[in-house]
Amino acid sequence: EDKVVQSPLSLVVHEGDTVTLNCSYEVTNFRSLLWYKQEKKAPTFLFMLTSSGIEKKSGRLSSILDKKELFSILNITATQTGDSAVYLCAVEGTGNQFYFGTGTSLTVIP
Amino acid sequence: NAGVTQTPKFQVLKTGQSMTLQCAQDMNHNSMYWYRQDPGMGLRLIYYSASEGTTDKGEVPNGYNVSRLNKREFSLRLESAAPSQTSVYFCASSEPRGILAGELFFGEGSRLTVL
Repeated sequence: EDKVVQSPLSLVVHEGDTVTLNCSYEVTNFRSLLWYKQEKKAPTFLFMLTSSGIEKKSGRLSSILDKKELFSILNITATQTGDSAVYLCAVEGTGNQFYFGTGTSLTVIP
Repeated sequence: NAGVTQTPKFQVLKTGQSMTLQCAQDMNHNSMYWYRQDPGMGLRLIYYSASEGTTDKGEVPNGYNVSRLNKREFSLRLESAAPSQTSVYFCASSEPRGILAGELFFGEGSRLTVL
C-alpha cells in the first residue's frame, strides 16, 4: 500500500528558531515529491523534488530528497509568524496520482 | 488570473440529497483532480482526469461521480449524500511535464456538511 508519513504532527516554536519537517514515503514508481504550505484555504506550492541530493532553496526555506532512504526534509530558518501553517508533503506515483501525508502543523510564537 | 475556481464554497445538505461541485481552471491544464480533506487523514484523491474525455478513480471514489465537461471544467457529483461525505473538497489542476504530473494548483475548497 502506498503511503506518505510526515513528522512531527505538530510543532510550536519561537520566532527566529530553525525547524526541520520530515516526510518519508513508500510509493510505487516514485516520480516526484512536492511540498505545499496550507494556511486557511488552498495549499500553495513550495518545491518539487525529483533527484536525490539536490537542494531546492527559496529564501528561508529549503528542501532535499533522499531516494535511497525514501525521505525528504523541509527546513525553515529564522522562522516568522507568517510561517505558521500546515505543511503538506505529496508524492507522485503511478498514473500521475499523488499521495499526501497528513501534514505537519507549525505554529510560530512571537 | 483566477487559476482554479470552485463553487459553491459552502453547502449544507440533508442525507440523501444530491449536489454537484463545480470546478473550472483557466490555465489550459490537461489534468484535473478532486480531493477530499478530512482531519487526520490528509488529502485523498476521489477522481482525476488526465485529459479531456478521460476520468479515472482515485483512492476514495465510492459515492461520487465526475464529468470532465471540457478542458476547463471538471465537476463532482454526490448522487445521494451521506454524513460520511462531510468534508472539505478541493479541485486541482496540473500540466504534465514529460512523465511527471507537474505541480498541482488548488482551488480554495468547498466545505460540505451532510446532516
